[in-house]
Amino acid sequence: KQEVTQIPAALSVPEGENLVLNCSFTDSAIYNLQWFRQDPGKGLTSLLLIQSSQREQTSGRLNASLDKSSGRSTLYIAASQPGDSATYLCAVHNAGNMLTFGGGTRLMVKP
Amino acid sequence: EADIYQTPRYLVIGTGKKITLECSQTMGHDKMYWYQQDPGMELHLIHYSYGVNSTEKGDLSSESTVSRIRTEHFPLTLESARPSHTSQYLCASSPQEYEQYFGPGTRLTVT
Repeated sequence: KQEVTQIPAALSVPEGENLVLNCSFTDSAIYNLQWFRQDPGKGLTSLLLIQSSQREQTSGRLNASLDKSSGRSTLYIAASQPGDSATYLCAVHNAGNMLTFGGGTRLMVKP
Repeated sequence: EADIYQTPRYLVIGTGKKITLECSQTMGHDKMYWYQQDPGMELHLIHYSYGVNSTEKGDLSSESTVSRIRTEHFPLTLESARPSHTSQYLCASSPQEYEQYFGPGTRLTVT
């Protein structure tokens, strides 16, 4: 059974710092990996989708990498801003487009 | 931008009541999903559908039921609500083997 782990569970940084969020998964037979953002009490916003054949995806200040063989993905956020404060979720797509989610990283960016 | 809607956004209801949470999408996606998320916890898949008249149970056992009579609608029903059903319910849809798009969620409180 696929298990997804995110480290750290919580992170507090001053504005302007570059930061890395980590995601690991136990079964490397994945189709895609998706990073989401969730604001308190809200739904999920898709940030980046990395297909299994890709090694990274970039969108603005966000860069996600995927090392499928080692079961790892990282989300890099450059020049963090208070508006980046949210919970970041990593999810892997298994067969049948089923998503298995990690527990998330709660990010707080202090002004 | 994904067009997926959930109603109501918030619901407070007494024990024993029957409730239906609505989810609709205008993108023509065949695949739709329901996830349950307790506060501060991971998302867990409770139901999914690959198309009209197709419904399956997810990883997390749930007393709720779903139906898929039309492509665009995937309602979730609880016949008799209990306090243990208090949670956030998130609906998502997907165009085949690609990223999932999430609705804003329904926050359910059963008193």
